[in-house]
Amino acid sequence: KAGVTQTPRYLIKTRGQQVTLSCSPISGHRSVSWYQQTPGQGLQFLFEYFSETQRNKGNFPGRFSGRQFSNSRSEMNVSTLELGDSALYLCASSGQGIDEQYFGPGTRLTVT
Amino acid sequence: DQQVKQNSPSLSVQEGRISILNCDYTNSMFDYFLWYKKYPAEGPTFLISISSIKDKNEDGRFTVFLNKSAKHLSLHIVPSQPGDSAVYFCAADGVQGAQKLVFGQGTRLTINP
Repeated sequence: KAGVTQTPRYLIKTRGQQVTLSCSPISGHRSVSWYQQTPGQGLQFLFEYFSETQRNKGNFPGRFSGRQFSNSRSEMNVSTLELGDSALYLCASSGQGIDEQYFGPGTRLTVT
Repeated sequence: DQQVKQNSPSLSVQEGRISILNCDYTNSMFDYFLWYKKYPAEGPTFLISISSIKDKNEDGRFTVFLNKSAKHLSLHIVPSQPGDSAVYFCAADGVQGAQKLVFGQGTRLTINP
């Protein structure tokens, strides 16, 4: 079974731009969660989608948004990028009722 | 407000000895705890979990202990191997039906030969 894939793996953007990150979950998994990892902060939960609906949301500003498609693939969008948005963005998928999440390799976003 | 804390940013252990990684939490609603291991340039990999109705779970060289009264959990690795060198995150799950994990900041474990 293929794992969670994320594209692109690396991205460099300038302040004020917007960015879209993509995540393809493990086949059959309907839940996709997004996390931001920055040095010293660990992983912080952004949001979770299940069957195309946002089921849970973390404490991030409205510049961070996401969506999920009918095939469970998910995208995350960050508008009006700030320097502090530089981070590793991880997505994780899980099947219904499974507590363990399977993470993708992440997208390293650098904002200059 | 850091609900899950790993107070040791790094830990160095001799190969063959026991590695003990600690994690504290503040939210008594958390009812499921997980440990993840992360290598550079890879996403975290699930290692072991424990439900709040248990106080110990074992899987090969890895054992997780949960002390609910102290709101503390620990991961024991015995014996430690060089391949165990990685960043370890503890995480807690308390939202019924949602895959929302609260992570600690991570502990970098280095196993010395």
